Amino acid sequence: QVQLQESGPGLVKPSETLSLTCIVSGGSISNYYWSWIRQPLGKGLEWIGHVYYTGATDYNPSLKSRVTTAVDTSNNQFSLKLSSVTPADTAVYYCARGGDWKNWFDPWGQGTLVTVSS
Amino acid sequence: DIQMTQSPSSLSAFVGDRVTITCRASQSVNNYLNWYQQKPGKAPKLLIYTASSLQSGVPSRFSGSGSGTDFTLTISSLQPEDFAAYYCQQSYSTPWTFGQGTKVVIK
Repeated sequence: QVQLQESGPGLVKPSETLSLTCIVSGGSISNYYWSWIRQPLGKGLEWIGHVYYTGATDYNPSLKSRVTTAVDTSNNQFSLKLSSVTPADTAVYYCARGGDWKNWFDPWGQGTLVTVSS
Repeated sequence: DIQMTQSPSSLSAFVGDRVTITCRASQSVNNYLNWYQQKPGKAPKLLIYTASSLQSGVPSRFSGSGSGTDFTLTISSLQPEDFAAYYCQQSYSTPWTFGQGTKVVIK
């Protein structure tokens, strides 16, 4: 079955750019939407944005000015960049399949903790 | 943004109890409402999609109902492995939003 795995630095300095990659295995990245979702420790879930396999994107307006998502179909992976980070961006970041209208998120990656600190 | 409000925020129950969690949307989301279960240190897992459809592999003691603005997740007979946090999520209007979560703990 399809599995997702996030990778990237666990520590990012304030004002720098957070960069994560999600590798999709067990299935093709084609024909699906792929999302990033984050969860501050002990708190709720926030949808960050998605990318379609064609490269089309949509973002949460609360983060839109700082977010970029992209897809790499040749390597079956997609990515997240969040610029100008602050300690408030410290969270567990999940990648998941889904994020289109009327749809749902399934499956999810295991999540990766990113801490913003100097 | 559509605000999703869950109640209660936490509940304590015995194994075998029937448990109901409510999710209310600030405006109609039709039936585009999903439920997830999250255990400590793990990613959320899809339980129910489009309000009442049971995800493959999920035990039949889980059920969902509702439409418009009011939805419920019911666990008919709580099992030890069901102690977790539960989240609702709407997929009717972007940005997709989640409820704040309901934590189910052992009584």
